[in-house]
Amino acid sequence: DAKTTQPNSMESNEEEPVHLPCNHSTISGTDYIHWYRQLPSQGPEYVIHGLTSNVNNRMASLAIAEDRKSSTLILHRATLRDAAVYYCIRQGTSYDKVIFGPGTSLSVIP
Amino acid sequence: NAGVTQTPKFQVLKTGQSMTLQCAQDMNHNSMYWYRQDPGMGLRLIYYSASEGTTDKGEVPNGYNVSRLNKREFSLRLESAAPSQTSVYFCASSALGTGAYEQYFGPGTRLTVT
Repeated sequence: DAKTTQPNSMESNEEEPVHLPCNHSTISGTDYIHWYRQLPSQGPEYVIHGLTSNVNNRMASLAIAEDRKSSTLILHRATLRDAAVYYCIRQGTSYDKVIFGPGTSLSVIP
Repeated sequence: NAGVTQTPKFQVLKTGQSMTLQCAQDMNHNSMYWYRQDPGMGLRLIYYSASEGTTDKGEVPNGYNVSRLNKREFSLRLESAAPSQTSVYFCASSALGTGAYEQYFGPGTRLTVT
């Protein structure tokens, strides 16, 4: 099963860090963990991805558990523009196995 | 670079009509994808093209056909539209189809079938 599990919704105060969790307990050794976000009425936007090591880019950080069964997307300082649905997906070598679940709807409170 | 472009942005069809959704990317990517998103749901893969000249079914291919016209363009055709195909359709591309590469999405086509 290529699904991941995320909380349906989360809230954060503006300018505070946000930790978005994702469970992928059945992940295979060759699956990458990708995060995308979708603002209202827009297409999904790539955020970050990784395999085993923690990753940082200008948008966020990705912390991957040592056993790779879970990961956390970290937004260091939430802004109102970060309010979106965040999707955690597994992506390996099988093109047809990518599954976008309902994601986590993040609300940012001014 | 325009990235991934889709036409049209909106479309209303009557049941039984046909139409083709167009997608183009200018990033020289090998792999392209078509997804649909129903209200409040995640995206579901309809068809994908790993490389120019190849296409394969995804999770929900019934009622659709695709054509990888060249490396840049990947079209989705509804031969006989049904109300169950009312959805938002997203096209995406990636350099290669393995997990090491991220996907870039277009703005979507909002389709209503009455």
